[in-house]
Amino acid sequence: DVKVTQSSRYLVKRTGEKVFLECVQDMDHENMFWYRQDPGLGLRLIYFSYDVKMKEKGDIPEGYSVSREKKERFSLILESASTNQTSMYLCASSKGVRFFGPGTRLTVL
Amino acid sequence: SQKIEQNSEALNIQEGKTATLTCNYTNYSPAYLQWYRQDPGRGPVFLLLIRENEKEKRKERLKVTFDTTLKQSLFHITASQPADSATYLCALVSKYNFNKFYFGSGTKLNVKP
Repeated sequence: DVKVTQSSRYLVKRTGEKVFLECVQDMDHENMFWYRQDPGLGLRLIYFSYDVKMKEKGDIPEGYSVSREKKERFSLILESASTNQTSMYLCASSKGVRFFGPGTRLTVL
Repeated sequence: SQKIEQNSEALNIQEGKTATLTCNYTNYSPAYLQWYRQDPGRGPVFLLLIRENEKEKRKERLKVTFDTTLKQSLFHITASQPADSATYLCALVSKYNFNKFYFGSGTKLNVKP
């Protein structure tokens, strides 16, 4: 069965901290995505990657960076967390259909 | 750019009835349209896909229609059950870039016993 896992379900960080969110997929997909989801705003694309070491900005990349050193792993980095980055973060891999991970609920205090 | 509209108000229906959810879009027709189910605190899960040249698709109790003239997709759950209660998202896939998805904000469905 297809699986996308995320390193944490819940995370609480302080303003200014560097935050790493990890995502791993076992489907050998080339395409991976990071979204954030906020009430009323839906899913917004932060960054995506078509291949190892490749990355493309999505619709809201400011304040974020990503890393894809291996095909199965795609990391989202918040360089200096701020309170407006409190959100649900969803990783997905894709081959036509998006397969989502369980999400990480990040709270920045 | 593409804009997707789903009813932000929750849909409350009685068990056994048919639930109908709407997804409207602006601008150009997508290559295809997908529907996802999302439970609270979880990631969305893919349900059904319908292509631009298809009018209707079925899977068990689920039915999706696609009207490119109205720029609308309808998602039906027949004989609804309390376990169908969730938020349902539609996603349009650009015909110019199959990796470009436009997600709606979702409609919450509550099925009461």
